[in-house]
Amino acid sequence: NAGVTQTPKFQVLKTGQSMTLQCAQDMNHEYMSWYRQDPGMGLRLIHYSVGAGITDQGEVPNGYNVSRSTTEDFPLRLLSAAPSQTSVYFCASSYSSQAKFSGNTIYFGEGSWLTVV
Amino acid sequence: KNQVEQSPQSLIILERKNCTLQCNYTVSPFSNLRWYKQDTGRGPVSLTIMTFSENTKSNGRYTATLDADTKQSSLHITASQLSDSASYICVVSANDMRFGAGTRLTVKP
Repeated sequence: NAGVTQTPKFQVLKTGQSMTLQCAQDMNHEYMSWYRQDPGMGLRLIHYSVGAGITDQGEVPNGYNVSRSTTEDFPLRLLSAAPSQTSVYFCASSYSSQAKFSGNTIYFGEGSWLTVV
Repeated sequence: KNQVEQSPQSLIILERKNCTLQCNYTVSPFSNLRWYKQDTGRGPVSLTIMTFSENTKSNGRYTATLDADTKQSSLHITASQLSDSASYICVVSANDMRFGAGTRLTVKP
């Protein structure tokens, strides 16, 4: 049981390049989400999914795309990287799609450090 | 203004001392409040989850309290250890989850 696995751990991109951050969980969790963490700020929700084939926007979705073709995987795509997207990205999952309301534990991946130059 | 404010921003204490971290929130309606520990370079790990009806919850040397009337929570760490050095994040759930910016705790020998 690996939990939530994110790759890559570190990435440097040039402005305008595209890339995909991978996220996989092996806990059969219904709910998956992506956050970004910037200095001095709390984690902010980018996109989330309540099940395979269902995705929705969070607080800061612009410049990012997601898909959920399987229960296990929830990749985050940067369409055309900008320096403002330099951040640490965390994928998270929870058993219930009502994780924010229920007492279900939310599990986070180890993070992906992205620098856009 | 962030709906979840944590204080202090950073804290340095000596090993084996106790400390208390604060979380004030304006998020409404309230569903639950979580405390996470985030080691440097790692993802957040859950410490406690409290609902509206709970006013205290412990996890080993960590004890969280909640006053839903004043919208305040605290995380008390007893007999600190070097491994407690980390950021501690308060998360409040209403219609969505709101994260505090965290308190950076350093425990020195």
